[in-house]
Amino acid sequence: GAVVSQHPSRVICKSGTSVKIECRSLDFQATTMFWYRQFPKQSLMLMATSNEGSKATYEQGVEKDKFLINHASLTLSTLTVTSAHPEDSSFYICSAQHKTGITGELFFGEGSRLTVL
Amino acid sequence: AQRVTQPEKLLSVFKGAPVELKCNYSYSGSPELFWYVQYSRQRLQLLLRHISRESIKGFTADLNKGETSFHLKKPFAQEEDSAMYYCALSGDSNFNKFYFGSGTKLNVKP
Repeated sequence: GAVVSQHPSRVICKSGTSVKIECRSLDFQATTMFWYRQFPKQSLMLMATSNEGSKATYEQGVEKDKFLINHASLTLSTLTVTSAHPEDSSFYICSAQHKTGITGELFFGEGSRLTVL
Repeated sequence: AQRVTQPEKLLSVFKGAPVELKCNYSYSGSPELFWYVQYSRQRLQLLLRHISRESIKGFTADLNKGETSFHLKKPFAQEEDSAMYYCALSGDSNFNKFYFGSGTKLNVKP
């Protein structure tokens, strides 16, 4: 089956530093990748949608300069949390849509837990 | 604005009992609705889509546009159905956006 890998699964950083999270589709090409943020016991909040080779589309209220998304190829998207602060601590999840797969089926990464000290 | 509401955070039933996980949505156009499931220590995965009208693992869901609902049902719950269930909406025909509800934890007791 289609596999999406996220790295790192856990990261701890100091306030003010930047952190990059990678999302890879291992065995398929992804037309679109989505980045979500999940707070404890809450839903997945869509942050942005990224399509290969074009700028990401951010949801209202998500700072595009704070959360930089790059989708350089059909198998890789990265989320960079710039100048991280403790309030950015969260669980970040990416998902990808198969280019030729079942319409509307998303494949999820295992998530990345960010802790900003 | 689009919104997906799952009113129940936790639903506990006994094995063999019917189960219904509620999902209501608000969207101005014609959305596509999905149910995703997350079993313990696993990732989220697609359970079913309304457009395919399928039954997966005994679960079905009917889109009711009048009530803007997409409730997930199963006539006889099994212990292995215990998981977190998320209702999701895609409001774009190109599936360029997906919005999720807050999830319902289903606990099937023996």
